[in-house]
Amino acid sequence: DIQLTQSPSFLSASVGERVTITCRASQAMGSSLAWYQQKPGKAPNLLIYSASTLQGGVPSRFSGSGSGTDFTLTISSLQPEDFATYFCQQLDTYPLTFGGGTKVEIK
Amino acid sequence: EVQLVESGGGLVQPGGSLRLSCAASGFTFNSYAMSWVRQAPGMGLEWVSSISNGGDTTPYANSVKGRFTISRDNSKNTLFLQMNSLRADDTAIYYCAKCAGTCQHKWFDSWGQGALVTVSS
Repeated sequence: DIQLTQSPSFLSASVGERVTITCRASQAMGSSLAWYQQKPGKAPNLLIYSASTLQGGVPSRFSGSGSGTDFTLTISSLQPEDFATYFCQQLDTYPLTFGGGTKVEIK
Repeated sequence: EVQLVESGGGLVQPGGSLRLSCAASGFTFNSYAMSWVRQAPGMGLEWVSSISNGGDTTPYANSVKGRFTISRDNSKNTLFLQMNSLRADDTAIYYCAKCAGTCQHKWFDSWGQGALVTVSS
């Protein structure tokens, strides 16, 4: 199974800050990675697919990069509505797996 | 607009069974693979199972293999998850998710609101 390790698991940041979340895979998987945002009590929402493609309707302050085993999600200027938990997911090999999540809270 | 509406959740005793349904609308259901993903209280996301658009390919997580069965009725635009031999660690919100094509090498582009399953005596 491909294990995904997200870091950090928690971060505290201020509005306007640049935030970077990392997702490291236990084996190479091309660009078959997606990022989701989840707010409390809600279903996850797709942000990025194929490692770097922005889903329609998602603000351009979100970006993704990486391939192989190392991936990043960047929020260029954190907004109040971005405080949430973020998950990466690999879609390369069954069983499909998710990272443990990164909770972004207000500093 | 894509809509996925889960139903069938509830409280069940250990060893019991439950069947979840997911009613889909707003897209051509028989053209897309579908998945179930669960989330235990306060925990992360866990993929449970996927089903190809025609229903012939059905991978499962090891944690549910042999106990859960995914299926679909393309004539009724509905996805199912039959859960047998339920255990306390199956307690979770179960989400229905639409894959962007297949579920492998593609992404989950729409999710339902979730159905809570509680396994307890």
